[in-house]
Amino acid sequence: NAGVTQTPKFRVLKTGQSMTLLCAQDMNHEYMYWYRQDPGMGLRLIHYSVGEGTTAKGEVPDGYNVSRLKKQNFLLGLESAAPSQTSVYFCASSPYYNEQFFGPGTRLTVL
Amino acid sequence: AQKVTQAQTEISVVEKEDVTLDCVYETRDTTYYLFWYKQPPSGELVFLIRRNSFDEQNEISGRYSWNFQKSTSSFNFTITASQVVDSAVYFCAHPSGGTSYGKLTFGQGTILTVHP
Repeated sequence: NAGVTQTPKFRVLKTGQSMTLLCAQDMNHEYMYWYRQDPGMGLRLIHYSVGEGTTAKGEVPDGYNVSRLKKQNFLLGLESAAPSQTSVYFCASSPYYNEQFFGPGTRLTVL
Repeated sequence: AQKVTQAQTEISVVEKEDVTLDCVYETRDTTYYLFWYKQPPSGELVFLIRRNSFDEQNEISGRYSWNFQKSTSSFNFTITASQVVDSAVYFCAHPSGGTSYGKLTFGQGTILTVHP
């Protein structure tokens, strides 16, 4: 089992560019999440999904969109990147009511 | 709203010392979970423990122990005889949707440095 994988691991964007981060899990988990981690602020929830075809906003959703067309994949999109979106992005998945399993993270820099 | 506070930003100890990391939470839920995660310098997030609010028994796992006190809304984590490999950022977390969905609210994290 690969667990939770994230693609890419690193990315540098210019302001205004777009990109998509891919999260994949092979544990058949229902729930998937996207967090961002900034220094001194812990992790903050961007969007989450409680099942295939569903998405919902988390604590800091502005500037991001998500899609969950397949149960195993959860995509995070930035339509027009801004320097404030420079962060480390973590994807996680979980079965019902249980601990979340995290991916290795994607380090994104927006210039 | 749910809130998790880790008042200790950084802790520095010498190897073999015991160290306790504090976590205080606020919740409107009567039944809930609490979690601790570890983030070593390599950056990944490692799950350590989950506790249910209806089980206030302290738990020990090797050098790790957890003290959950519902009356004071605290869920503290103690490392006994710390080792250099324990150096990491430790996060306390609480689902912001009660026991539903598992949307985690994280504390700010405590940076633990264990010196040889």
